[in-house]
Amino acid sequence: AQSVSQHNHHVILSEAASLELGCNYSYGGTVNLFWYVQYPGQHLQLLLKYFSGDPLVKGIKGFEAEFIKSKFSFNLRKPSVQWSDTAEYFCAVKGNSGGYQKVTFGIGTKLQVIP
Amino acid sequence: GAGVSQSPRYKVAKRGQDVALRCDPISGHVSLFWYQQALGQGPEFLTYFQNEAQLDKSGLPSDRFFAERPEGSVSTLKIQRTQQEDSAVYLCASSLTPDTQYFGPGTRLTVL
Repeated sequence: AQSVSQHNHHVILSEAASLELGCNYSYGGTVNLFWYVQYPGQHLQLLLKYFSGDPLVKGIKGFEAEFIKSKFSFNLRKPSVQWSDTAEYFCAVKGNSGGYQKVTFGIGTKLQVIP
Repeated sequence: GAGVSQSPRYKVAKRGQDVALRCDPISGHVSLFWYQQALGQGPEFLTYFQNEAQLDKSGLPSDRFFAERPEGSVSTLKIQRTQQEDSAVYLCASSLTPDTQYFGPGTRLTVL
């Protein structure tokens, strides 16, 4: 069975600090990987995704994530956070063996950015 | 519509009552998913529809949970004889391709 582990449940940063949120997954095959974000009072929305190709993927609002297959990791990064990045971030994994595969989410990381 | 909508947004039920939660997916989206998100947790998969066919219901926690999508559009998640552990946010998502799921605002269910 697939699973996702997010190491930091609550992160507090000052504006302009750099961000890295850890995500490790467990799955015995090729995967698709996602980061979703939920801003206060808003829906879950896709931040970025990895399906194949360049393991460094760039998403909206200056976020990027790197897929490191040997480490089963897909960490989210941003060089300089803004107050508006305050949100909850979810890492998710889906098997990529063709056809339908369900998505498994991590527990989430709450990011609070202090002005 | 512009996005996935869910109703009601909030539901309070007494233990033992039946509840029905509605999801209106984005028009034309073939795939529809239901998730349960308990407090402090990530969304957990409940069930998946492709058009009107329920292709995966492996995440439904018990036979008290039932979902349908009779015409391949609107879906209803029904919970019979609600219990306190059913308290959670129930999320619906739809997608046109396997890549990206679009989530609704969720229904927050509180069972007293």
